Amino acid sequence: GAGVSQSPRYKVAKRGQDVALRCDPISGHVSLFWYQQALGQGPEFLTYFQNEAQLDKSGLPSDRFFAERPEGSVSTLKIQRTQQEDSAVYLCASSLPAGLAGFNSYNEQFFGPGTRLTVL
Amino acid sequence: AQTVTQSQPEMSVQEAETVTLSCTYDTSESDYYLFWYKQPPSRQMILVIRQEAYKQQNATENRFSVNFQKAAKSFSLKISDSQLGDAAMYFCAYSNYGGATNKLIFGTGTLLAVQP
Repeated sequence: GAGVSQSPRYKVAKRGQDVALRCDPISGHVSLFWYQQALGQGPEFLTYFQNEAQLDKSGLPSDRFFAERPEGSVSTLKIQRTQQEDSAVYLCASSLPAGLAGFNSYNEQFFGPGTRLTVL
Repeated sequence: AQTVTQSQPEMSVQEAETVTLSCTYDTSESDYYLFWYKQPPSRQMILVIRQEAYKQQNATENRFSVNFQKAAKSFSLKISDSQLGDAAMYFCAYSNYGGATNKLIFGTGTLLAVQP
C-alpha cells in the first residue's frame, strides 16, 4: 500500500471489554512503533518492533496492554479489560530501521491515521 | 529523561504573514534529532522539518525554517507566507541519535489557525 493503514478507525468499547487494534505498515518497513495520543496531548511512545522482535515496550502503561507482530509485518495492539483512561487515539508508525542509510542515520517515521478508542 | 515543552497552546496568523512557533527541550545528550510534525484534522501526522543537533546550520524546507539554539535548548519553527492549508496542530519532537530505536518524544502541541 501507499502508506500506513490502521483499522478500525473508530472503536467504542464498554469498560471491561477487550479490544484489538491493527496496523499495516508500509511494505518493506521493518521498524514499527505504537503511540498513544490522549485528547489535547502529544503522542506518547508505547512500544517498538524491529521485524517480529519487540525491542522496546517501556511505554506500555500496564500489563493490560499487549502488542505483537508475529510475521514482522502487520502488528496488533491489544488492550484487555479496557478502562476509561484508555480512551485515546492510537497511532502506528513505520520506518526503515535506524542506521540503514549509514551509521547513526535517521529514517523518517510514517504515521497512520490512527484509531480513536472510546471506552464508555 | 528527555522532555519537550511547547508553551503556546494556540496561535493565529493572517494568510501570507509569518508566524513562529516555540519549542524548548531538555536532554543530557549531545547528539540528537529535533522535528516539527504537522497534524491536520484528519489526524495523519506529517513530518515538516528535521534538524540534526550536530549541524549548526538551521534546516529549511520551502516556507518552513527553524531557529535551532543548542545552548539554549530552543527549537522554533517559522512559517513564512502562511497559507490556509497550514492550519493544523504542530508538534515539536525529539529523538535520540543512534541506538536501536528512534522513538519520538513529543510536546503537547500548538494549534495554528490561519485567518483569510
